Amino acid sequence: DVKVTQSSRYLVKRTGEKVFLECVQDMDHENMFWYRQDPGLGLRLIYFSYDVKMKEKGDIPEGYSVSREKKERFSLILESASTNQTSMYLCASSPDFRPYNEQFFGPGTRLTVL
Amino acid sequence: AQKITQTQPGMFVQEKEAVTLDCTYDTSDQSYGLFWYKQPSSGEMIFLIYQGSYDEQNATEGRYSLNFQKARKSANLVISASQLGDSAMYFCAMREGLTSGTYKYIFGTGTRLKVLA
Repeated sequence: DVKVTQSSRYLVKRTGEKVFLECVQDMDHENMFWYRQDPGLGLRLIYFSYDVKMKEKGDIPEGYSVSREKKERFSLILESASTNQTSMYLCASSPDFRPYNEQFFGPGTRLTVL
Repeated sequence: AQKITQTQPGMFVQEKEAVTLDCTYDTSDQSYGLFWYKQPSSGEMIFLIYQGSYDEQNATEGRYSLNFQKARKSANLVISASQLGDSAMYFCAMREGLTSGTYKYIFGTGTRLKVLA
């Protein structure tokens, strides 16, 4: 079974703090993704990585950065958290770039920025 | 322009009845994949079913089937014999092939389904 884990289910941070969200997958997948989910907006892609140290911006990268030093781990960084970054954050992975591969999701991190 | 459109923000269905959740997509790629995911109130995303653009048969997985109409660019999810546990948010997604040069999955805004006892 593919497992995607995220470091926290719930997180509360203060405005201006640096926040790290960690994601780990155990199936040697090449592709990893970070989304945020807000009511009525569906899932919006923040960043994705198609290989170690390779990353590409998604649709809403502003205010975020990512790191992928090892294949199994993809970190999302909020350099200076703001209240409009309060959201549900979902990490996902997929085996490779082929279009028939489904994504496997982590349980999500609900982040509140006060 | 929206690449994945789910026009039903919310739907109700009576237990044991069938329900269709609509999804239309837009792509110029010849090779693409279409996916449906379920998200219960717990928040996890559960993969339900996949349809490839070259698949001639509609995909089925247990009580889930995908009504794929390529010419109309629609990929509707059909849930037969609805159960209370089917109450959840449902997302349609697409992944385009190599022609688009992207690895991204594109999601619709979701349909919230409520099954009534």
